[in-house]
Amino acid sequence: DTGVSQNPRHKITKRGQNVTFRCDPISEHNRLYWYRQTLGQGPEFLTYFQNEAQLEKSRLLSDRFSAERPKGSFSTLEIQRTEQGDSAMYLCASSLATLGETQYFGPGTRLLVL
Amino acid sequence: GESVGLHLPTLSVQEGDNSIINCAYSNSASDYFIWYKQESGKGPQFIIDIRSNMDKRQGQRVTVLLNKTVKHLSLQIAATQPGDSAVYFCAEINSGYALNFGKGTSLLVTP
Repeated sequence: DTGVSQNPRHKITKRGQNVTFRCDPISEHNRLYWYRQTLGQGPEFLTYFQNEAQLEKSRLLSDRFSAERPKGSFSTLEIQRTEQGDSAMYLCASSLATLGETQYFGPGTRLLVL
Repeated sequence: GESVGLHLPTLSVQEGDNSIINCAYSNSASDYFIWYKQESGKGPQFIIDIRSNMDKRQGQRVTVLLNKTVKHLSLQIAATQPGDSAVYFCAEINSGYALNFGKGTSLLVTP
């Protein structure tokens, strides 16, 4: 499968715990994006990387959230001290570095914070 | 503020009929639009895109129409099939690279 992959697919955690999600983009794509989607809503942009550089962050990305892409390939999204309001689907997408190019999404990681 | 929205939250069509899903946007600076299909428990799947210098683009069984005068986007699906049942999102890029999604329209195809 040459598409975007995300792990884990599901995560249940207790409030206050830290969680980390991984995204592997399509191999030749140098842009990587993180979105969050709550039930019944469209995805909301969180942050994006071009290669290893994090170039844009949404106001939704609180201090408890951190994303990395150390080698310009896979990316991790960590949420510290999780809250029930963090429960959502976390989606990763990747694209080529041309303005307006298509973003291809992974299957997402569904997080449930108890 | 600027937003992308959908006229109808749900749409029910009979198998074989054509479907039309509408989307309004408010930012006249938006220059790239995409339609995504999302099935339950899956990530959004790219369907078709269109740039602001075009008013129509066709794919396999799908057509996107862009009316910049009234800031309206539509997705037409020909000969709708049960496998087309999903939530459809329009999304725009008006600056930077972040996609701005609407809330989605749920399409239900009945036999």
